[in-house]
Amino acid sequence: LAKTTQPISMDSYEGQEVNITCSHNNIATNDYITWYQQFPSQGPRFIIQGYKTKVTNEVASLFIPADRKSSTLSLPRVSLSDTAVYYCLVGDIRDYKLSFGAGTTVTVRA
Amino acid sequence: NAGVTQTPKFQVLKTGQSMTLQCAQDMNHNSMYWYRQDPGMGLRLIYYSASEGTTDKGEVPNGYNVSRLNKREFSLRLESAAPSQTSVYFCASSEQEISGANVLTFGAGSRLTVL
Repeated sequence: LAKTTQPISMDSYEGQEVNITCSHNNIATNDYITWYQQFPSQGPRFIIQGYKTKVTNEVASLFIPADRKSSTLSLPRVSLSDTAVYYCLVGDIRDYKLSFGAGTTVTVRA
Repeated sequence: NAGVTQTPKFQVLKTGQSMTLQCAQDMNHNSMYWYRQDPGMGLRLIYYSASEGTTDKGEVPNGYNVSRLNKREFSLRLESAAPSQTSVYFCASSEQEISGANVLTFGAGSRLTVL
C-alpha cells in the first residue's frame, strides 16, 4: 500500500476555500485516491474518490496531477460544520488493509 | 436501510473479563472490517473479512478474535480484556467495486473502557 503524508492540522474561516494536499510518492498504477471525513464521536464518512485529473461532487473536489504523486482535496466555502478530521487513503480494489493515518484536523472558525 | 449497526455503543469492563462487539450491515456488502481508534490517532485495522467465510489479521490483531457469522454479521471478541484495549471500536463494510478502491461505510462506533 502506498504511504501517504498530509498536514496534521489546518485552520480556516467560514466562507473560505480549504485545500488539503496529500503526498503519495509511491502510488501504484492501479491505485485510487480516496478521502474520508470524520466528525467527533462518529465513524469516518466517504467524501470522494479519484484516479486522475479532477473529480467533483456535491461536497468537494479532488485534484490529481498527471504524475499522481499527490492529490488535493478542495472544500469550497467551508462552514463551522466542516470542522473535522480528513483522511487521505491510497489503494486498489485488492487492498483490504486500508490504513487511516492521523489525518488532517481542519478547524473552521467564525 | 440502517447501514452498519454496532452494539453495544458503550461498555465498561474489568481487566480479565470477556465480551463480544456485534456488527451487522444491511447493504449486502461482501467485506467487513474492525478498526480501533485511540485518542488523537487514526484508525488501526484489527481484523477484516474479505468475504463470507474468510477472516484475516490487520495491523493490531493481538488480544482479539473475530467471527464472520454470515454475510451480514461480523463480531469482535475480547477474550481477556486489558486496559490497553480501552478504545473506540468501529466496524465497517465495503462492496467489491468493478474498478476503483474499496469504499468503506462505517458504523457509529462502540466505546469500550477496561478498568
